[in-house]
This record gives sequence, structure tokens and C-alpha cells, in this order.
Amino acid sequence: ETGVTQSPTHLIKTRGQQVTLRCSSQSGHNTVSWYQQALGQGPQFIFQYYREEENGRGNFPPRFSGLQFPNYSSELNVNALELDDSALYLCASSLAFLPTQYFGPGTRLTVL
Amino acid sequence: SQQGEEDPQALSIQEGENATMNCSYKTSINNLQWYRQNSGRGLVHLILIRSNEREKHSGRLRVTLDTSKKSSSLLITASRAADTASYFCATDAGQGAQKLVFGQGTRLTINP
Repeated sequence: ETGVTQSPTHLIKTRGQQVTLRCSSQSGHNTVSWYQQALGQGPQFIFQYYREEENGRGNFPPRFSGLQFPNYSSELNVNALELDDSALYLCASSLAFLPTQYFGPGTRLTVL
Repeated sequence: SQQGEEDPQALSIQEGENATMNCSYKTSINNLQWYRQNSGRGLVHLILIRSNEREKHSGRLRVTLDTSKKSSSLLITASRAADTASYFCATDAGQGAQKLVFGQGTRLTINP
């Protein structure tokens, strides 16, 4: 059974640029959630995808967007990067309607 | 915004001692989970307790839940150096998306 994978591991961007982060869900999982974790804080829910549709969103602006593909992998896109977007971005997969989520290792984004 | 708070924010104990961490939350929940995070990497699911349960055990872990006080505790017995990590509680209100709401975490250090 393959766990959740994310790419890239680290990324450095400048303010105003756009970034795409990728996530492959655990085998058999059809739901993907994205979280942002600032340094020293707990993860904050960005949004969730189920059957290629957004299925819930946290308190994040529209410049945070996502996709889920038929193989359940997912992308997180962030436009017009701001310094405060610097954080660890975590992807988690799960089976629909079950509470336990399985996290990937994260992508560390630094915005300069 | 964070759902709740972990207490203490940091805990340092000797190997072999027991470690207790507490979590408080604000709204009604369906379940509460504890996750571990090593060195800013992905989160690992430890244990889930449902709102109708009061206590649950898994190996060296013991979790309690008091819904009247909106609080939970995680006890790690006979601690080991490998238990050094940050520990987060996460709640799930179960309204649509499986949106996990995390506290700010307890940083646990086990000294050899």
C-alpha cells in the first residue's frame, strides 16, 4: 500500500508569483484535503476534494484553488503569492465519510 | 482560527516517565483525534475517540474525552526518546466535509 506523497519537498518563490503543489493520495482513498501550517502553529484547513469537486473550504481567499483528478491525485494552486503564504502545505487523503486522514510529508514553501 | 488549545505548549520529561497533554475545544464534536508530527514533517494519526466514548487505549497511549468540559487528554506511558515530537488534537464537527480543526500543539521532548 502506497502512502500519501507530495511534491516538491521544498520550494522558494517570490512575492506575486504563482505556485502549484502536487499530492498523490493513498491507494484506495477518494478524498483529498489540503492544510496550511505556519511555523509554530497547528494545520489550518484550506479545502477538500471528493469526486473531483470541492467539498468544503476553510477561511482562505480565492487565490487558493485546487483540482482533483480521476485517479484521486490533487493539486493546490496559489496565485499572487504573499509573504504570509510561507508555510508547510500538507495534503491528506481519506475515504469519504470517515474521519481519519493520512498525511503526506508536506511541501515547505518560502515566499521572498 | 484554531478550534482549541493544547496544554502545555511544551513539555520536557525523562525517558521512562509518563507524559500527559491536554486539549480543549469550543464546539460540539463527532469525534476527536490525536496526531503526532516529527520535526515539521507530515502528521501521523495516533488514535480517535468518538463523542460517545470516555476513554480509549492503544498500546502506550490512553486518551480520555470529557464532552461536558469540551476537553481531552493524551497520556503516553513509559516514554521513549522516539516519542519526541509535537502532538496535536483535531476535532471533526462532521458537517459536510471532513474538516479537521487542529489546536496549536504540545511540543514533547524526551530526555535520555
